Amino acid sequence: GAVVSQHPSRVICKSGTSVKIECRSLDFQATTMFWYRQFPKQSLMLMATSNEGSKATYEQGVEKDKFLINHASLTLSTLTVTSAHPEDSSFYICSAYGTSGNYEQYFGPGTRLTVT
Amino acid sequence: AQSVTQPDIHITVSEGASLELRCNYSYGATPYLFWYVQSPGQGLQLLLKYFSGDTLVQGIKGFEAEFKRSQSSFNLRKPSVHWSDAAEYFCAVGAAGKLIFGQGTELSVKP
Repeated sequence: GAVVSQHPSRVICKSGTSVKIECRSLDFQATTMFWYRQFPKQSLMLMATSNEGSKATYEQGVEKDKFLINHASLTLSTLTVTSAHPEDSSFYICSAYGTSGNYEQYFGPGTRLTVT
Repeated sequence: AQSVTQPDIHITVSEGASLELRCNYSYGATPYLFWYVQSPGQGLQLLLKYFSGDTLVQGIKGFEAEFKRSQSSFNLRKPSVHWSDAAEYFCAVGAAGKLIFGQGTELSVKP
């Protein structure tokens, strides 16, 4: 149980275009999901907290207009990187709170974004 | 402010040897503590967690961790490491509605 999927697993896009990454909770309802960014050999950096039916809460320093987050249902959150640039290339990971609460998060497999 | 410190960036152990990965946290209240493992290019898998009760917690893959409040530590241990344990390990504390991660410890296993 508590499986989180991400799609796509890898994406290459051209500079200036937008790309959407999907995060789904497959066997449970996730009212809260999280989006992280991870650079090589580094820890996870929380970008935003996504709550179903409401606006996402972004961490300090994260551009809201560049990283659009939508949590339209209890099983789906999307991250859209708008007007992507090479510096946006990174590994993006989503997670969701499990049903037990207590901060336990289940993580997706990640999406490798490369902007050329 | 809440924080997590993993003092060891990289550790190498021989296969079959014991392992201890260190984690220190800073948090005012009773912490929710986690250890996650990440293989290259993959997401994070939960190894074990501590919420309350018995301070020695058992996890998957033969891992255990001990919560020591007096030392603000939550070290991860395994008695005998397998080559497949080579990965990145992250300690995390739950605070203010989110997880705060340590910097990670990369584990290499020598044959």
